[in-house]
Amino acid sequence: SQTIHQWPATLVQPVGSPLSLECTVEGTSNPNLYWYRQAAGRGLQLLFYSVGIGQISSEVPQNLSASRPQDRQFILSSKKLLLSDSGFYLCAWKALTGAINEQFFGPGTRLTVL
Amino acid sequence: SQQGEEDPQALSIQEGENATMNCSYKTSINNLQWYRQNSGRGLVHLILIRSNEREKHSGRLRVTLDTSKKSSSLLITASRAADTASYFCATGFQGAQKLVFGQGTRLTINP
Repeated sequence: SQTIHQWPATLVQPVGSPLSLECTVEGTSNPNLYWYRQAAGRGLQLLFYSVGIGQISSEVPQNLSASRPQDRQFILSSKKLLLSDSGFYLCAWKALTGAINEQFFGPGTRLTVL
Repeated sequence: SQQGEEDPQALSIQEGENATMNCSYKTSINNLQWYRQNSGRGLVHLILIRSNEREKHSGRLRVTLDTSKKSSSLLITASRAADTASYFCATGFQGAQKLVFGQGTRLTINP
């Protein structure tokens, strides 16, 4: 069966520090991968998605970036965090092909920037 | 921009009652999905309804889709305390690789 991991689970970082959040998927090949951010009590904002290694689509201009160095690994990064980067970051995957369209979410990373 | 908007934003009912949440969207869709999120956790897929379907059932869940009104509803029958969570609709588009999520409805089931 497929599983998706995110780490760390929680993170407290000072303003101006770098960021690296990692997401890995097991049990599937060639998935679409997604990074979302969720502000407290709000819906999900799609940040980036990837349909293959090295292919990144950015949805919202900001100081975050994403990379997909391996088929089942998706990384969210920042060189210098802002206060507004605080939030709950969710990674998700979807089968690239076939009629199945639902996304499967990881447990999330809660980021607090102070 | 957000495509789906859930209504109400918050709903509190007694255990055993039915809960109905609504979702409206703006543009033509290929499918509409409902997800549940327990506090501080990731989202869990509940049910998917395609644009050519009008109603779908899964256990205590019933989803309807009215493409002429660009709206969907999620009904949870015989609610339980464990149903307490936020519920989100998400719209999918033909040929698109992404979903657009609404702001969610926070459902509280009181014992």
